[in-house]
Amino acid sequence: SQELEQSPQSLIVQEGKNLTINCTSSKTLYGLYWYKQKYGEGLIFLMMLQKGGEEKSHEKITAKLDEKKQQSSLHITASQPSHAGIYLCGAGFGSGNTGKLIFGQGTTLQVKP
Amino acid sequence: NAGVTQTPKFQVLKTGQSMTLQCAQDMNHEYMSWYRQDPGMGLRLIHYSVGAGITDQGEVPNGYNVSRSTTEDFPLRLLSAAPSQTSVYFCASSQTLGRSSYNEQFFGPGTRLTVL
Repeated sequence: SQELEQSPQSLIVQEGKNLTINCTSSKTLYGLYWYKQKYGEGLIFLMMLQKGGEEKSHEKITAKLDEKKQQSSLHITASQPSHAGIYLCGAGFGSGNTGKLIFGQGTTLQVKP
Repeated sequence: NAGVTQTPKFQVLKTGQSMTLQCAQDMNHEYMSWYRQDPGMGLRLIHYSVGAGITDQGEVPNGYNVSRSTTEDFPLRLLSAAPSQTSVYFCASSQTLGRSSYNEQFFGPGTRLTVL
């Protein structure tokens, strides 16, 4: 979706390295979701953020929604091969929005052993 | 709970054929949606529903119809399949979805559709 831009589109990192994926919009984000997808499989829910400045962590993955609620970042510490896959951010937009949840184009992560 | 189920898992169609992708959830979720996933495009919203009897268009609705006669089911109909509709289709559901009430989206396993 052009309303939600992810960067980078793809990423190759050496095992053990840290990395960050960004999700950006020109509009206010309501209900920001992060999902992970292994190649050819379904989507795994990682985290959901709603409040400006909110930060959540799960194992070695941390997601944050900025104060303006227009950008979220997903940070992986000490990456492992199990972190490889496609990371997708999704969000609702704007005042009066009820039900339209849009996703970004995804970031493909490869982790080299 | 079975969660969100989709049938079939795989389907091959010829151009011009019609078919219905089935989606069902047993969590009494009000919100249901359909996405298609193509390489490099992420998930694109086709149609969504905020409750039984209520549907609306997403980003890429052309060529697809939906209806929501019950809370549990949200079928996606392809009226006349085209090669451009070759994709992986995901159905999702959640409790109410709105500006102040966002909930985890539960996704089905997907349907891989090929149109020849």
